[in-house]
Amino acid sequence: DQQVKQNSPSLSVQEGRISILNCDYTNSMFDYFLWYKKYPAEGPTFLISISSIKDKNEDGRFTVFLNKSAKHLSLHIVPSQPGDSAVYFCAASAPQGGSEKLVFGKGTKLTVNP
Amino acid sequence: DTGVSQDPRHKITKRGQNVTFRCDPISEHNRLYWYRQTLGQGPEFLTYFQNEAQLEKSRLLSDRFSAERPKGSFSTLEIQRTEQGDSAMYLCASSFGQTPGNTIYFGEGSWLTVV
Repeated sequence: DQQVKQNSPSLSVQEGRISILNCDYTNSMFDYFLWYKKYPAEGPTFLISISSIKDKNEDGRFTVFLNKSAKHLSLHIVPSQPGDSAVYFCAASAPQGGSEKLVFGKGTKLTVNP
Repeated sequence: DTGVSQDPRHKITKRGQNVTFRCDPISEHNRLYWYRQTLGQGPEFLTYFQNEAQLEKSRLLSDRFSAERPKGSFSTLEIQRTEQGDSAMYLCASSFGQTPGNTIYFGEGSWLTVV
C-alpha cells in the first residue's frame, strides 16, 4: 500500500510564479518529512525537511507546510525558475516508531516554463 | 568531492550473472542506506547499516541480494543470479543518524540493466 502519495504526476508553471507540490500520507507514525529534487540519471538531492513538531519550515525560495490533522504536506517554490524543472519526491520517516527508512511518494514532475 | 560516491555508475549484465555495487558514504556519516528506483516510482528502501551492523532489511531484499559494510565505512551490494526484474537504479545514501531530523544524502546511483 502507498503510505506516501503524490497524486499529481506533473505540474507546469510559468517562470516567476508559485509552484505548489502536494503530498499526503497515511501512517500516523510518520514524524519527519523531507522533499528531494531529482534530475534524470542522477540521485535525489535533499531540498528541505520538517519535523512533526512544526507546521512550517522555510529555506530561501522553498517553504514546506505540514498539516498533521489532514496528514498533508506541501512544498511551495517562490518564485519558480526554469532550473527548478525536475521531479520532486516527498518522503517520510518514523524514527520514533523504530524505523529509520524513508518512504517515498512516486514523485511530481515540475516544469517551469520561461 | 565529499559526497556519497557509487561505483560503477552503469552496469549491463546478462541474466544469471552476479553483479556488485560499491558505495563510499560521506566520511563522518555512521549510517548507510541502499535504495532501488525503477521508472515512474520513488526510491524503495532495501536495507540500512549503522556502522557495520545491518539493522533493517526490506522484504524486497530477496535471498539473491546481500549487502555488507565490513568496517563501518564503504558498503557493497551484491546481486546473485540477476533477473530482468532487477534492472533499476540502485541508490546509496548516508546520514549522521541524528534524532530527530535524520536527513539522508544520496549518491548519484548505479544503473543496472539485465539483458
